[in-house]
Amino acid sequence: NAGVTQTPKFQVLKTGQSMTLQCAQDMNHEYMSWYRQDPGMGLRLIHYSVGAGITDQGEVPNGYNVSRSTTEDFPLRLLSAAPSQTSVYFCASSWEGEAGWHQYFGPGTRLTVL
Amino acid sequence: AQTVTQSQPEMSVQEAETVTLSCTYDTSENNYYLFWYKQPPSRQMILVIRQEAYKQQNATENRFSVNFQKAAKSFSLKISDSQLGDTAMYFCASSSFGNEKLTFGTGTRLTIIP
Repeated sequence: NAGVTQTPKFQVLKTGQSMTLQCAQDMNHEYMSWYRQDPGMGLRLIHYSVGAGITDQGEVPNGYNVSRSTTEDFPLRLLSAAPSQTSVYFCASSWEGEAGWHQYFGPGTRLTVL
Repeated sequence: AQTVTQSQPEMSVQEAETVTLSCTYDTSENNYYLFWYKQPPSRQMILVIRQEAYKQQNATENRFSVNFQKAAKSFSLKISDSQLGDTAMYFCASSSFGNEKLTFGTGTRLTIIP
């Protein structure tokens, strides 16, 4: 299994540009999520999905869109990038076992908005 | 809503010594999970240890153990016989029982000195 994969690893955008951060998992997990990591603030939840066709907002959803058309893929869209969206973005997928939820994180995407 | 607080932004310790990282949390729920994640310079989020709040026994994983004080809402991580590879950011996190969303603290940067 490749686990959770994210592309690209690095990206530089200009203010106002749009782009999609890709996330895919091959573990057949129903639950997927996006977090952003800013210096001194830890990881914060942007959006999450409990299955194909179902998405919901997390703590910091403004400026981001998501969709979940398949179990495997959960892309994050920035419609009009702003400097405040400069951050490291992590995608995660999860499954629930006997001892609760287990989260698997992707390697992250470092995004810089100029 | 859950909150997680890590009051030690940075720590350093000599190799082979023992170090304890502090974490406090706040939740109104009876059942929840607590986690410690390690983030080395590679940026990958690695689960170190997890604790189910309904279990009184402290979790251990090889050189890593926790001191879980439910009444005090404290969840510290002890690293014994510290190694150079332990140098990383360490994040404390929580999630509600039956809820896969993670709430993270701001992290502690741990440096192991040779």
